[in-house]
Amino acid sequence: QKEVEQDPGPLSVPEGAIVSLNCTYSNSAFQYFMWYRQYSRKGPELLMYTYSSGNKEDGRFTAQVDKSSKYISLFIRDSQPSDSATYLCAMKSAAGNKLTFGGGTRVLVKP
Amino acid sequence: GAGVSQTPSNKVTEKGKYVELRCDPISGHTALYWYRQSLGQGPEFLIYFQGTGAADDSGLPNDRFFAVRPEGSVSTLKIQRTERGDSAVYLCASSEGGGGYTFGSGTRLTVV
Repeated sequence: QKEVEQDPGPLSVPEGAIVSLNCTYSNSAFQYFMWYRQYSRKGPELLMYTYSSGNKEDGRFTAQVDKSSKYISLFIRDSQPSDSATYLCAMKSAAGNKLTFGGGTRVLVKP
Repeated sequence: GAGVSQTPSNKVTEKGKYVELRCDPISGHTALYWYRQSLGQGPEFLIYFQGTGAADDSGLPNDRFFAVRPEGSVSTLKIQRTERGDSAVYLCASSEGGGGYTFGSGTRLTVV
């Protein structure tokens, strides 16, 4: 079993809908949680970075962390076709520096 | 530079050959990371540099893989006796202190 599980999708939504993404993890040492967006043939781009349990909002993006359930989520409001990409969750422990990634969820926003 | 630069963007090599992949991190970033991403998968950690030294090389798959960062800025990932299974996108990232990491666009390596 992988340390970080993420549904590969694809997830197809109409423009303007809310996109809901999530990851589960097994390593309780993970303390820092990130969401990256990756367009085809590009490197991952950091969207959200969170530490504690709870919600963090940045524009159309909201990240949620529930450490007790080992479950993190990313919500994208008012989705646009330009949001079509692969979304990767990543996490690391307080002591370490390396990121452990989920496998990514491919999202398609249809106009 | 403004971002993390990786060269070449694409590399095709024959099985058994030696390759070098270059990463130029964001100026001033002391931490540098190499990851490998196979098709349809998330990136997998290879090695982490803090300054000139490899602080964690636990992700290197075997002794055919080696990386250096002699002056604490540019890094080179070296792969000897390449195998078809080495085909992947090799990503470099850099960071300064805490926070998220900035990734380059990667080098797509194809071993034929």
